[in-house]
Amino acid sequence: TQLLEQSPQFLSIQEGENLTVYCNSSSVFSSLQWYRQEPGEGPVLLVTVVTGGEVKKLKRLTFQFGDARKDSSLHITAAQPGDTGLYLCAGQRIQGAQKLVFGQGTRLTINP
Amino acid sequence: KAGVTQTPRYLIKTRGQQVTLSCSPISGHRSVSWYQQTPGQGLQFLFEYFSETQRNKGNFPGRFSGRQFSNSRSEMNVSTLELGDSALYLCASGLGAARREQYFGPGTRLTVT
Repeated sequence: TQLLEQSPQFLSIQEGENLTVYCNSSSVFSSLQWYRQEPGEGPVLLVTVVTGGEVKKLKRLTFQFGDARKDSSLHITAAQPGDTGLYLCAGQRIQGAQKLVFGQGTRLTINP
Repeated sequence: KAGVTQTPRYLIKTRGQQVTLSCSPISGHRSVSWYQQTPGQGLQFLFEYFSETQRNKGNFPGRFSGRQFSNSRSEMNVSTLELGDSALYLCASGLGAARREQYFGPGTRLTVT
């Protein structure tokens, strides 16, 4: 059972469309991070959200941390082909041996 | 500031052999974590080292081991390789502080035949 569930797992849309990726859990996290990974490379940190209800914007990307700090969303406005990649959320656990847990990822393809 | 480097980038081994992967963290980072990434299982945590001590360990068999040196460089060893060990092995460094942002290297692609 995945501690962090991402949905959808796969998403293929046309350039210019908007999209939202979700990261959900029944556990509370002290913070949550989003990463993007391109083929042949390691994940790159995009943002960290810490406070319940926090919203952070990174150009056309908007990240939100749920009020209860159990879930997060990533919204992309006017998607571009350069947004293509694997998006991973990672939650920092308050307790437990593995302090940082990753979702299984959302593979996003933006078609020109 | 140089990023995380991993060597080698690609490796082909035979079942039963052993392999050692190397990771150099970002200068000043004292935490190094290792992950296994496969299409089916996603990103799975192997272990974390901080100041030469293993701080956390994932749910992997004892064939997987690691260590960290005084300069924070880390190595990961897999003994008695199995076909299922074929994966991208990622190393990530961090400050090891309360907010555990991870800065990943490009990974080592291990293929076991």
